[in-house]
Amino acid sequence: GDSVTQMEGPVTLSEEAFLTINCTYTATGYPSLFWYVQYPGEGLQLLLKATKADDKGSNKGFEATYRKETTSFHLEKGSVQVSDSAVYFCALKQGGSEKLVFGKGTKLTVNP
Amino acid sequence: DTAVSQTPKYLVTQMGNDKSIKCEQNLGHDTMYWYKQDSKKFLKIMFSYNNKELIINETVPNRFSPKSPDKAHLNLHINSLELGDSAVYFCASRPGGNTEAFFGQGTRLTVV
Repeated sequence: GDSVTQMEGPVTLSEEAFLTINCTYTATGYPSLFWYVQYPGEGLQLLLKATKADDKGSNKGFEATYRKETTSFHLEKGSVQVSDSAVYFCALKQGGSEKLVFGKGTKLTVNP
Repeated sequence: DTAVSQTPKYLVTQMGNDKSIKCEQNLGHDTMYWYKQDSKKFLKIMFSYNNKELIINETVPNRFSPKSPDKAHLNLHINSLELGDSAVYFCASRPGGNTEAFFGQGTRLTVV
């Protein structure tokens, strides 16, 4: 079945450091790909998405590019802030299915 | 004007009790979900309804019963609660196609 694999956390960075959170997927066809963020005590919010190969999703300084050849959707940010501390989830949705499949989440802590 | 709202936000109850969690969305979406998030933040889909019809039913104990009285509501009833049911339960909705899901704030269930 479809699956999403994220890098194990937790990830701890200093403010203004570069962030990469790796995400790879296994799916047939061309799924849509998403990054969600969960701030402490809150629900999940969509951070960015990409619906076809080579699309780049971006929001709040975060970016991710849909790479079909490597089945990847890595999340990057050039300069993290303390307020970016949260759990980040990579997810996919296969066309024709209602199921949204999540990775296990990566906890990011940014220290001042 | 919360888009996806769940009640209650916190629920503490004893083993063996029966409890319900309610979810309402005012987005006009066709599809609604229940997800369970465990202590390690792993998100697992439980159920999905589309226009009041059950379309996804993962391997969830039959003590869990979803009910969708109309397209805007998806409630979760849990019988004979067990310690292992302690988790955060998220409701979500999606309009259809390859779009993202919108999540509620979660219900933290603690079974003692």
